[in-house]
Amino acid sequence: EAEVAQSPRYKITEKSQAVAFWCDPISGHATLYWYRQILGQGPELLVQFQDESVVDDSQLPKDRFSAERLKGVDSTLKIQPAELGDSAMYLCASIAGAHNEQFFGPGTRLTVL
Amino acid sequence: QKEVEQDPGPLSVPEGAIVSLNCTYSNSAFQYFMWYRQYSRKGPELLMYTYSSGNKEDGRFTAQVDKSSKYISLFIRDSQPSDSATYLCAMTSGTYKYIFGTGTRLKVLA
Repeated sequence: EAEVAQSPRYKITEKSQAVAFWCDPISGHATLYWYRQILGQGPELLVQFQDESVVDDSQLPKDRFSAERLKGVDSTLKIQPAELGDSAMYLCASIAGAHNEQFFGPGTRLTVL
Repeated sequence: QKEVEQDPGPLSVPEGAIVSLNCTYSNSAFQYFMWYRQYSRKGPELLMYTYSSGNKEDGRFTAQVDKSSKYISLFIRDSQPSDSATYLCAMTSGTYKYIFGTGTRLKVLA
């Protein structure tokens, strides 16, 4: 069964360092999302791609966060510099099906010390 | 007021009980409604997907949507300890922007 892949699964870093997360959506899925999920809360959208184009990055803290999907397939989310408040689960998702069902990857749990 | 409201729980029930999980929403443009199950330290897993109002059943799970009341529910019959997880509701108007509830933590006691 096709799945959304993410790496690393866990990342511990010190504040002010740079971190990067990678996502490979299900093959053929044109729409890709990055979400941040703080413990005890629902996922909140950071950025949405349609192929290689950004559709919505209104909630992305652009002073420190950047995202790219250069060839319209896999994607990278970067944080530089990381802050304590960035500790969260970072989830990648893509959509498919006749009704645009959204499928999530396993997530990257980030801890900033 | 948040667009989607969900009781965070935790909700503890004995094994075999019927569980009712609920979300309310304020945006009447929402047309597509989803329920996800999320185990600790894992990504959300799509459980149920419903378009517009009505019921949808899949095994022990039933999703209900009442658009007139802006209220959706997920029922779990014959609950099992393996159902212990956080359940997230999500919805979209079809614009590919999905809004999530905060999630309800469920614990099914053996």
